[in-house]
Amino acid sequence: GAVVSQHPSRVICKSGTSVKIECRSLDFQATTMFWYRQFPKQSLMLMATSNEGSKATYEQGVEKDKFLINHASLTLSTLTVTSAHPEDSSFYICSARGRRETTTGELFFGEGSRLTVL
Amino acid sequence: GQNIDQPTEMTATEGAIVQINCTYQTSGFNGLFWYQQHAGEAPTFLSYNVLDGLEEKGRFSSFLSRSKGYSYLLLKELQMKDSASYLCAVKRRSDSWGKFQFGAGTQVVVTP
Repeated sequence: GAVVSQHPSRVICKSGTSVKIECRSLDFQATTMFWYRQFPKQSLMLMATSNEGSKATYEQGVEKDKFLINHASLTLSTLTVTSAHPEDSSFYICSARGRRETTTGELFFGEGSRLTVL
Repeated sequence: GQNIDQPTEMTATEGAIVQINCTYQTSGFNGLFWYQQHAGEAPTFLSYNVLDGLEEKGRFSSFLSRSKGYSYLLLKELQMKDSASYLCAVKRRSDSWGKFQFGAGTQVVVTP
């Protein structure tokens, strides 16, 4: 199956700093990538949809100035958490889809990035 | 809006069968997915149902009833490695492909 890689897997930062998380599709061109966050024992919450070469579409309640998303190429999308605060500590997961739908339509997820803001 | 409900936790013994139910309320239903997620890892795809009926894939089976807004995931011959969270996810016709709505997940604990 398709492979999506996410980096870093864990990051600890001080409050007020910015953190960048990368999501790469390794063996296919990802026209669309999705960014989720997940708090412990809670569901995956979609934050934004990122299309290559265009601005990301954010879900209601997600601050676009705080969570900067860039999808500059067909294999890379980045999420930057700006001026991070402890309440931003969470598990961030990306997923990707290619030009053609798979026969079953599943999403391919990255390994996730656990952000801890001190 | 839509609601996706699944039990928080289920416990079963190794070798047994467990059925995880998922009910949903959504407009423009266009498919239901089950994903497995081990702690601290990304979800992995298990199954997809868009028509009523049962889809069997090895030890895992998934069932859908669109009229009832109901699905279940059946895990047979449970193994210790099946201890994980199982996420039910729904796609709406109005959403672009890949934009799924996830339930909170059911934590399955397999005991020896």
